[in-house]
Amino acid sequence: DAGITQSPRHKVTETGTPVTLRCHQTENHRYMYWYRQDPGHGLRLIHYSYGVKDTDKGEVSDGYSVSRSKTEDFLLTLESATSSQTSVYFCAISAVGASTWANEQFFGPGTRLTVL
Amino acid sequence: AQTVTQSQPEMSVQEAETVTLSCTYDTSESDYYLFWYKQPPSRQMILVIRQEAYKQQNATENRFSVNFQKAAKSFSLKISDSQLGDAAMYFCAYRSGTLGGSQGNLIFGKGTKLSVKP
Repeated sequence: DAGITQSPRHKVTETGTPVTLRCHQTENHRYMYWYRQDPGHGLRLIHYSYGVKDTDKGEVSDGYSVSRSKTEDFLLTLESATSSQTSVYFCAISAVGASTWANEQFFGPGTRLTVL
Repeated sequence: AQTVTQSQPEMSVQEAETVTLSCTYDTSESDYYLFWYKQPPSRQMILVIRQEAYKQQNATENRFSVNFQKAAKSFSLKISDSQLGDAAMYFCAYRSGTLGGSQGNLIFGKGTKLSVKP
């Protein structure tokens, strides 16, 4: 299994509070992604990173920010959590390259976030 | 923009039988990759099978195979000899063949929940 961990695995917080989710990898992969999963929507991309300090927005980036100061860590921050951000959050990594295997994304175990 | 559609929110199959999950996609690209991911109740996303668009031969992985129809933009997953452990959400996903930038992102369908009856 790819070495990807997410912390915390579960979190309950209140509306208006800041929340930071952490993704840590031991694979030294260049690309990292944050997705959210909601019933009826599948997985939707929030932000992604293509290198240290290189990040870009995904489909549902409003209300989220990210940072990547080291290859192995990708942080997702909800500056002021809202109930609409209650979801399961997945981190993924990818070694984008020319070979087929390098196009696969490996996923972390997910974080269930509840905003009351 | 590319889209992925899974038209079957739920499917059911008898143990040991065969089931096919449907997936269609829309793209103007000629080079891309398609994937099927399995998500059991544990929530872990597990890659089941992948297909490169430039390959005409359908991918197979043990009991899992795909029917890739490039002209029709269809990518269905066939599960043979279904087992109780196959019960899960199944997601179809698309990735551009262009390397780097946002083209590396996966675009997912909404998923199909598969139940396996003993």
